[in-house]
Amino acid sequence: GAGVSQSPSNKVTEKGKDVELRCDPISGHTALYWYRQSLGQGLEFLIYFQGNSAPDKSGLPSDRFSAERTGGSVSTLTIQRTQQEDSAVYLCASSYRSTSGTKETQYFGPGTRLLVL
Amino acid sequence: KNQVEQSPQSLIILEGKNCTLQCNYTVSPFSNLRWYKQDTGRGPVSLTIMTFSENTKSNGRYTATLDADTKQSSLHITASQLSDSASYICVVVQTGANNLFFGTGTRLTVIP
Repeated sequence: GAGVSQSPSNKVTEKGKDVELRCDPISGHTALYWYRQSLGQGLEFLIYFQGNSAPDKSGLPSDRFSAERTGGSVSTLTIQRTQQEDSAVYLCASSYRSTSGTKETQYFGPGTRLLVL
Repeated sequence: KNQVEQSPQSLIILEGKNCTLQCNYTVSPFSNLRWYKQDTGRGPVSLTIMTFSENTKSNGRYTATLDADTKQSSLHITASQLSDSASYICVVVQTGANNLFFGTGTRLTVIP
């Protein structure tokens, strides 16, 4: 079956522009995660969705970042007024999160490489 | 402070040799520890997941160990192959809310 897909795979934008990144999780996966990976850095947690709700938004770096998920499936991460420090790889992952949620495997997409000039 | 530290930062080994990567953490309360492999330009792929009661878990040539008392984990790669060249990321999950703490990874290069 299809894995997690993300689009676009690469995005170059000018400073100050808005960008929208898309994630299509594995069908049936209830949980969806967004991460950011800057060059030479570890993965940074941004936001987590369970269904359409986001119980944990603690990782969003600023109010320029927002995310939504509709129909318990596709999610979009929007960055407004992009800055050069937003340049990174944005990774999406999905999992089937049970009520205990202790050991579900996360499946990652290939990421969107964002470059802000 | 909840942290995950990995060592070494990078490692170069000859094809066919074994190697061990280390992960130390201070995350509490502990739920589980995961090792991921991330090829260049790709998303991470899960290798192993271990809970408190599991002290070893194998996945082919990859064997992870966990000592929850000392808060240390290792990933042992046996008979390395060129395709093992990747970054290996240790992730510790905190009990309760969805808190995952990531190490910065070990960059492994296997040379012929």
